[in-house]
Amino acid sequence: EAGVTQSPTHLIKTRGQQATLRCSPISGHTSVYWYQQALGLGLQFLLWYDEGEERNRGNFPPRFSGRQFPNYSSELNVNALELEDSALYLCASSLGVGSYNEQFFGPGTRLTVL
Amino acid sequence: RKEVEQDPGPFNVPEGATVAFNCTYSNSASQSFFWYRQDCRKEPKLLMSVYSSGNEDGRFTAQLNRASQYISLLIRDSKLSDSATYLCVVNSDSNYQLIWGAGTKLIIKP
Repeated sequence: EAGVTQSPTHLIKTRGQQATLRCSPISGHTSVYWYQQALGLGLQFLLWYDEGEERNRGNFPPRFSGRQFPNYSSELNVNALELEDSALYLCASSLGVGSYNEQFFGPGTRLTVL
Repeated sequence: RKEVEQDPGPFNVPEGATVAFNCTYSNSASQSFFWYRQDCRKEPKLLMSVYSSGNEDGRFTAQLNRASQYISLLIRDSKLSDSATYLCVVNSDSNYQLIWGAGTKLIIKP
């Protein structure tokens, strides 16, 4: 069974540009989560989508946005990129809303903002 | 107080030793608990779920103490390949969202 996939693997942008990151969940999973992990730091929760709706949002500015498509894949958009947005962006999927919702991660997209 | 707290380490442990980590959580209504492992510059991977009665998977044992609101991970006969950051994860009862600890770094030395 295929795991969570993310694209691109690496992305290099300059300040002020926009970045679009993509994620395909494990088949049958309806929830997608986005996390930011700066070098040497812990996971910072960004966004949670389930069944096409945004369920929760972390403490990030509005220039971080996303959506979930009918096939449950998801896109994260970061507008007006800043140097401090350079990080590993991880996507995870789970079976959806419920108490025992283990999350399974993709390999991440490494975003570098120059 | 953070919702999930872990000792950041690093724990420097000789190969073959036993090492234990604790993780405390603040929400007494939390229902599910997990340990993840993250290697340097890689994605986190599920190590084990933590059940009320405690559970074991080979050299790894997880325990839950609801009264004191902590979970623990015990690694016996540690291997060099156990070197990683171990993340404690607890569900948020209010919306089923997982709350992640900052991780404990473990370094196994030959």
